Amino acid sequence: EAQVTQNPRYLITVTGKKLTVTCSQNMNHEYMSWYRQDPGLGLRQIYYSMNVEVTDKGDVPEGYKVSRKEKRNFPLILESPSPNQTSLYFCASSSSGRAGEQFFGPGTRLTVL
Amino acid sequence: GENVEQHPSTLSVQEGDSAVIKCTYSDSASNYFPWYKQELGKRPQLIIDIRSNVGEKKDQRIAVTLNKTAKHFSLHITETQPEDSAVYFCAASLPHTGTASKLTFGTGTRLQVTL
Repeated sequence: EAQVTQNPRYLITVTGKKLTVTCSQNMNHEYMSWYRQDPGLGLRQIYYSMNVEVTDKGDVPEGYKVSRKEKRNFPLILESPSPNQTSLYFCASSSSGRAGEQFFGPGTRLTVL
Repeated sequence: GENVEQHPSTLSVQEGDSAVIKCTYSDSASNYFPWYKQELGKRPQLIIDIRSNVGEKKDQRIAVTLNKTAKHFSLHITETQPEDSAVYFCAASLPHTGTASKLTFGTGTRLQVTL
């Protein structure tokens, strides 16, 4: 089954404790992206990757890191989480020719205390 | 960069009525405009899209129109049903260097279809 998976689905952590949210897709998509969803603000892009070892900042990259060492995986790293990073996070992927048709993962609800 | 504005933020219609959601974008270079539906607790899913070389596209009860001159596009849902209740997001894709595009989303419209 073609899908995008994220782990964990729910996470409660404390300020300053490094964490990683994993994202994996099995559709051989070149393009992967991370979004955060906050009430009233919609979906805002954090980082995106056009292919292995190619990443770029989205609209709200501060406080986040990403890596793309393999085509299928695109982890999101919060080196020192802060309460303003409490949000619902979505990973998405798409093929390079039709980047608008993004397939979203199930979401990760993160709470930073 | 691109900026997408979406209105209204909430919309309540009676079952069977039509619903219209409108979006404007800022960068005339944007060339792809998808619409996503997000049901409560679920992930966003693409429901319809339109490219800049097309003015209108229809898929059963949903349609999207694009006015490039005015830089706005709209989602039309006819004969609404309770299962249409969800949050709808418009987006604009700005061509980017390389093989992929950058997608900017609107802030969403919560559609409630009442019986």
